[in-house]
Amino acid sequence: DTEVTQTPKHLVMGMTNKKSLKCEQHMGHRAMYWYKQKAKKPPELMFVYSYEKLSINESVPSRFSPECPNSSLLNLHLHALQPEDSALYLCASSQDSEKLFFGSGTQLSVL
Amino acid sequence: GQQLNQSPQSMFIQEGEDVSMNCTSSSIFNTWLWYKQDPGEGPVLLIALYKAGELTSNGRLTAQFGITRKDSFLNISASIPSDVGIYFCAGSAWYNNNDMRFGAGTRLTVKP
Repeated sequence: DTEVTQTPKHLVMGMTNKKSLKCEQHMGHRAMYWYKQKAKKPPELMFVYSYEKLSINESVPSRFSPECPNSSLLNLHLHALQPEDSALYLCASSQDSEKLFFGSGTQLSVL
Repeated sequence: GQQLNQSPQSMFIQEGEDVSMNCTSSSIFNTWLWYKQDPGEGPVLLIALYKAGELTSNGRLTAQFGITRKDSFLNISASIPSDVGIYFCAGSAWYNNNDMRFGAGTRLTVKP
């Protein structure tokens, strides 16, 4: 199983809503990542969890709150987002930081 | 962080033609990766390179890790319509916590 599974596939939310993005991998990878990707741009790193501990936070606004409940799961909690936060949110995992395996992403629209 | 310069930005080619794209950096990398992304999907890993000078193939795709460790190229031979998509190079380096950084992407269009 080489899959990283992300849910939901699409999400539309208002600026006052609270929602969560979910990611799951069963490859035994030690690191999990959140990336944000705007249209026609490369993915931008948001957060890295290594051995279930937050190791990197790329100065992401506090309205994005990551959580790693266990080694297979990664969540991204969203609250009071802005329209400019609309993007494709990608989860990835890796065993050795040398190869990232991506999920298919959540397309988020903030109205 | 280190910058990756990927070129060309876009390519329009005829089916059957060969394609070449590359990435350069002002800093050295430990690892170079090449990904393909279809619209609304996540990037899919095509080729991973770990050693300077390494040349690796995956079907019609061939990629090389530059000798200086500051560049990499990807070639696609005999392109087909399903090669359409955005190709990203990505690199990581020990001095940056091995964080993966991405080039801006090459958008490939293949005309049947």
